[in-house]
Amino acid sequence: SQKIEQNSEALNIQEGKTATLTCNYTNYSPAYLQWYRQDPGRGPVFLLLIRENEKEKRKERLKVTFDTTLKQSLFHITASQPADSATYLCALGGTGRRALTFGSGTRLQVQP
Amino acid sequence: NAGVTQTPKFQVLKTGQSMTLQCAQDMNHNSMYWYRQDPGMRLRLIYYSASEGTTDKGEVPNGYNVSRLNKREFSLRLESAAPSQTSVYFCASSEEGTGETEAFFGQGTRLTVV
Repeated sequence: SQKIEQNSEALNIQEGKTATLTCNYTNYSPAYLQWYRQDPGRGPVFLLLIRENEKEKRKERLKVTFDTTLKQSLFHITASQPADSATYLCALGGTGRRALTFGSGTRLQVQP
Repeated sequence: NAGVTQTPKFQVLKTGQSMTLQCAQDMNHNSMYWYRQDPGMRLRLIYYSASEGTTDKGEVPNGYNVSRLNKREFSLRLESAAPSQTSVYFCASSEEGTGETEAFFGQGTRLTVV
C-alpha cells in the first residue's frame, strides 16, 4: 500500500535560516503533491501545489521541489521567522483518486 | 467568506451515545470530506462525497455514517460512540477530489468519548 513519510522529529532552526522539510512516498505515483501548514488546534491551511511535470514551484519565501524519480518532495522556507513555527503536512493526489492522502507532518520550530 | 464551518468545536460523549457533526461550505465546492486526526498521526479519511447525492467510504469508515444533505452540507454521524473514536475531526471541501485543487478545512471538532 502507499506510504508517505515525513520526519517525525521536530526541526529546530534559527531565525533567518532556510528550513528544509522532506516528504518521501512509496508505492504510488502522484500527479499532484500539496503542502499544508497546521497550527495547534487548527485545521490545515493550503500553501502550495506542484504537479508531476513540474520540478519546482515558488511562492514568496516558499519553494517546493518534486522529484518523481526519487519519489520525494522538498519544502523550503527561506529567511525563516518565528511565525513560521507550525506543523507542515504533505499530501498526495492523482487521477482516479477521490481525496488527498496526507503524511503525518513535520513540526518546525524557528528560534528567535 | 466563512469557508468551511464545523459544529460543534468540542464534544464529550459517553460510550454508546450518538451524535452528528455538522459541516457546511460556502464555496460551491463539489467534493467534501471527513478526516480524523489522532495525536501524532496523519489525517485519515473517513468518508468523502464527490458530488451532491453521492458518498463513499474512505480508509476508516467503521462506526460512522454520512449524509450529503445538499451541495453545501456534509454531516458525520456516530451511531454508538466508542472510546476509540476519541479524536479531532476535520471537514474539508475542494472543487474536485483528485488533488488538482486545494482543499479547505474547517476548524475541527475535538471529540472525547468516555
